[in-house]
Amino acid sequence: DQQVKQNSPSLSVQEGRISILNCDYTNSMFDYFLWYKKYPAEGPTFLISISSIKDKNEDGRFTVFLNKSAKHLSLHIVPSQPGDSAVYFCAAGYNQGGKLIFGQGTELSVKP
Amino acid sequence: EAGVAQSPRYKIIEKRQSVAFWCNPISGHATLYWYQQILGQGPKLLIQFQNNGVVDDSQLPKDRFSAERLKGVDSTLKIQPAKLEDSAVYLCASSPLVGEQFFGPGTRLTVL
Repeated sequence: DQQVKQNSPSLSVQEGRISILNCDYTNSMFDYFLWYKKYPAEGPTFLISISSIKDKNEDGRFTVFLNKSAKHLSLHIVPSQPGDSAVYFCAAGYNQGGKLIFGQGTELSVKP
Repeated sequence: EAGVAQSPRYKIIEKRQSVAFWCNPISGHATLYWYQQILGQGPKLLIQFQNNGVVDDSQLPKDRFSAERLKGVDSTLKIQPAKLEDSAVYLCASSPLVGEQFFGPGTRLTVL
């Protein structure tokens, strides 16, 4: 049972444009959501998180939106840069601690 | 601040052999996690320790996998005997009691 899904395995965007990565979840008990970025041969790196009491969180070029009624979150990267090319994982958990359930990942390619 | 350290980075073994992985978490982090990431999928939690006690090992195949956390710091994950389907990247992560998880670079295991 896939509780966290990223339905797009890949996304290609032109440098300077917006990248939008999407994630859906099924468990309404999740209250903490995160995005991780992963380069080849490295472990995932934390990017940004959002608590279920918010619907938006911003950090520089990265913004995460949460729509609890739709059980959907998205990551916006504006403007996209070639260095953003990586695999992005969304993850969900409880109480800002403990076990995370990860999606399958979306490979983002930002072309110069 | 030093990150999560893992060794070895790569390991190739034949099926039915044994293998062990080592993890040194970030200093002061109470919680340590082992994840398995199969190619094309997101990381899946195998076991979670808080200090030196097990919090969640519900997804650990206990007939062949074992893990321990020595004195609440370093941890080892062992597979005995390995199967072909154990080929994956094994990721160690650590976190404070509340907050995001920080991942090590992972160990890529190939079982022939």
